Amino acid sequence: DVKVTQSSRYLVKRTGEKVFLECVQDMDHENMFWYRQDPGLGLRLIYFSYDVKMKEKGDIPEGYSVSREKKERFSLILESASTNQTSMYLCASSPPSEAGGPVFGPGTRLTVL
Amino acid sequence: AQSVTQLGSHVSVSEGALVLLRCNYSSSVPPYLFWYVQYPNQGLQLLLKYTSAATLVKGINGFEAEFKKSETSFHLTKPSAHMSDAAEYFCAVTRGYAGNNRKLIWGLGTSLAVNP
Repeated sequence: DVKVTQSSRYLVKRTGEKVFLECVQDMDHENMFWYRQDPGLGLRLIYFSYDVKMKEKGDIPEGYSVSREKKERFSLILESASTNQTSMYLCASSPPSEAGGPVFGPGTRLTVL
Repeated sequence: AQSVTQLGSHVSVSEGALVLLRCNYSSSVPPYLFWYVQYPNQGLQLLLKYTSAATLVKGINGFEAEFKKSETSFHLTKPSAHMSDAAEYFCAVTRGYAGNNRKLIWGLGTSLAVNP
């Protein structure tokens, strides 16, 4: 069963901490994405990667960075967590063709205190 | 620029009734369109997609959607709602501009409640 896995389902961190969210896919997809989901705001793209070591800013990259050293793994980094980064974080991957809709992981609910 | 509008952030139906969730889009290029479902505390799951083949698309769990170019719509329907259909539903369209046609633009979602 092909899937996207995320390192944590729930995470609680303190303001100012450096936070790593990990995502792994086993479908050999070129594209990987990080979204955040907030009530009333839908899904907003944080960063996108279309190849190893390649990344592109999404709609809300401020306060975040990403790393993709291997094709199957895409990490989201909060350099200094703030309370306004409390959210649901969703990782997804997709094949290169635009006809391939993304496959999502289960999400990480991050709370920053 | 591409955009997606989902009419109705909350929809409530009775069990056994027709489900209709509305999605309208704007796109300067032929779009690909998607419907996803999200159950509580889970990620999103693909329900169905339109990729310029048949305009009536059948998906999982008895859902279907019809692409209507003249109306720029891609509404999601199910003839008979089941309690297990209660979830959040998202419509999405490909961005379509050169070099970025792999990213999607998302609607804000419609929360479907099914009443016994």
